[in-house]
Amino acid sequence: GESVGLHLPTLSVQEGDNSIINCAYSNSASDYFIWYKQESGKGPQFIIDIRSNMDKRQGQRVTVLLNKTVKHLSLQIAATQPGDSAVYFCAEKVTNAGKSTFGDGTTLTVKP
Amino acid sequence: EPEVTQTPSHQVTQMGQEVILRCVPISNHLYFYWYRQILGQKVEFLVSFYNNEISEKSEIFDDQFSVERPDGSNFTLKIRSTKLEDSAMYFCASSGESNGQTKDPLNTEAFFGQGTRLTVV
Repeated sequence: GESVGLHLPTLSVQEGDNSIINCAYSNSASDYFIWYKQESGKGPQFIIDIRSNMDKRQGQRVTVLLNKTVKHLSLQIAATQPGDSAVYFCAEKVTNAGKSTFGDGTTLTVKP
Repeated sequence: EPEVTQTPSHQVTQMGQEVILRCVPISNHLYFYWYRQILGQKVEFLVSFYNNEISEKSEIFDDQFSVERPDGSNFTLKIRSTKLEDSAMYFCASSGESNGQTKDPLNTEAFFGQGTRLTVV
């Protein structure tokens, strides 16, 4: 079945460092990928997305990389700040299917 | 900025009772979803809704669950005969804005509400 998995359940970084959060997916039919940030007691918040016809997309302080060959997705956060502390989920979608399939989540802790 | 709103933020109910969780999706969105998240676990898809009918549902979404869009703004999830294991955060989401033009509404990100914490006792 479909699954989207993260390599590490927790990640701790120093403020100002760069963070890399990884995600592996298994459904080769997935062609749209999203990273969400979830703060405690809140709903998932969209960070950045990427479609399968791209291998890199940049936002403000965030970059998503997609490697379809090995079904791997990563989120890079530059100059990590304490406000970045949260659980990060990757999610995948298949074209023309509404649902997103979420991975298990990585808890990012930023130490001041 | 438009947002998805959910009420109540916290619902406590007795086992066996029925609950209705309410959501107001973003007004010009076409697709509506319910997800749930058991404490400490990942977000799980329950159901998607489009054009006044269910477009997809997961194995979790059995006969105990139903959804409705009773008017032009609300989207509800009804859970009948609640069980202890129904305790979770329930998130409503919407996607696919319509601005009078055909767009690819399925391949856009979903916007999530803040969730309703359901506690079954």
